[in-house]
Amino acid sequence: AQKVTQAQTEISVVEKEDVTLDCVYETRDTTYYLFWYKQPPSGELVFLIRRNSFDEQNEISGRYSWNFQKSTSSFNFTITASQVVDSAVYFCALSAVASYGKLTFGQGTILTVHP
Amino acid sequence: DVKVTQSSRYLVKRTGEKVFLECVQDMDHENMFWYRQDPGLGLRLIYFSYDVKMKEKGDIPEGYSVSREKKERFSLILESASTNQTSMYLCATTGVDEKLFFGSGTQLSVL
Repeated sequence: AQKVTQAQTEISVVEKEDVTLDCVYETRDTTYYLFWYKQPPSGELVFLIRRNSFDEQNEISGRYSWNFQKSTSSFNFTITASQVVDSAVYFCALSAVASYGKLTFGQGTILTVHP
Repeated sequence: DVKVTQSSRYLVKRTGEKVFLECVQDMDHENMFWYRQDPGLGLRLIYFSYDVKMKEKGDIPEGYSVSREKKERFSLILESASTNQTSMYLCATTGVDEKLFFGSGTQLSVL
């Protein structure tokens, strides 16, 4: 069975602070995908990133970066110089390759960025 | 961009009512999904469909059914709504790249 744990239920920061959202996963699959989604107050989940399990390179996209460590089964997400618009619920998720949308989601982390 | 439209943003129903949640996507994707979102539990898969007339149970199908008569439309049915089905319901679709695109959700309250 697959499992995703986001231990941080809520995080509150002040604008311009860096913040890291933790994600730990469990799976018996040898190949899999990891995802991060953002859910702003409007409700629609927005895709942020997908990583293949065989690609452990860290990725950076603007103020966003992701640290994938297979040895610790973690896929952490860092926002640098946070902004008020980053306030949202963030979900980490896991799927087997070729599962075509059957994801196992973590509990979500509510991020609030104060001006 | 993929557009996934859910018919209602908020819905209030009474216990025992039959409830239909509708979802339409405009990108000709084969795969469609219904997830349920609850605080502290994240999203959980209810049902999914990889083709017209086809349906498969997800992790929590009890109390729900689905209908997929046309490729673009995927309906979630609560045969007899109960208070423990009060939740946010999210429809999603994906193509061959396996990236899910979600609708804005339907917040269902069962009284």
